[in-house]
Amino acid sequence: GAVVSQHPSWVICKSGTSVKIECRSLDFQATTMFWYRQFPKQSLMLMATSNEGSKATYEQGVEKDKFLINHASLTLSTLTVTSAHPEDSSFYICSARAHQGARTEAFFGQGTRLTVV
Amino acid sequence: AQSVTQLDSQVPVFEEAPVELRCNYSSSVSVYLFWYVQYPNQGLQLLLKYLSGSTLVKSINGFEAEFNKSQTSFHLRKPSVHISDTAEYFCAVSFSGGSNYKLTFGKGTLLTVNP
Repeated sequence: GAVVSQHPSWVICKSGTSVKIECRSLDFQATTMFWYRQFPKQSLMLMATSNEGSKATYEQGVEKDKFLINHASLTLSTLTVTSAHPEDSSFYICSARAHQGARTEAFFGQGTRLTVV
Repeated sequence: AQSVTQLDSQVPVFEEAPVELRCNYSSSVSVYLFWYVQYPNQGLQLLLKYLSGSTLVKSINGFEAEFNKSQTSFHLRKPSVHISDTAEYFCAVSFSGGSNYKLTFGKGTLLTVNP
């Protein structure tokens, strides 16, 4: 399958600082990328969907000013957690699709463990 | 409303025993169905998927799932599990006609295979 690389795999930051997480599709062009958040022992909650070159679509209840998503190229999307607080500590996972359409497989990054202290 | 339900949060089994992980969905439109596996502190890996055609789909490592439209189910089965199958398993559904065809995940089932 195709490879999606997420960086960093883990990060610890101080409360009030911002953290950027990168998601790259290494061997295909991703027209659509998704960002998920996963709490311990729980499912993935979709935060937002981004299409290359356009603004991200955020799910209800997700603060767009806090979780900034940029999808500037067909191989890179970034999630920036601004003014992070301990409650933002979580496992963040991105996924990428080569084409639109439900039949197209979504490939997942390995996730980023964010701890805010 | 469209939803995915995984009925068991945890399933402990002994090695070489059969296992079934249950998944039901609710939708008024056509669906595409997926099973993903997640190992600790890792992302998700696609295990198998149903898009169309034969309702029985199989993975390369012995898992299989059957799409049952009348029961709105997509249960995952394996006739004989290994220790290495211990992981979290997520059922996911993509609803046709949905925006960006995003995936909706169940809450996951932790499969623990004991020696």
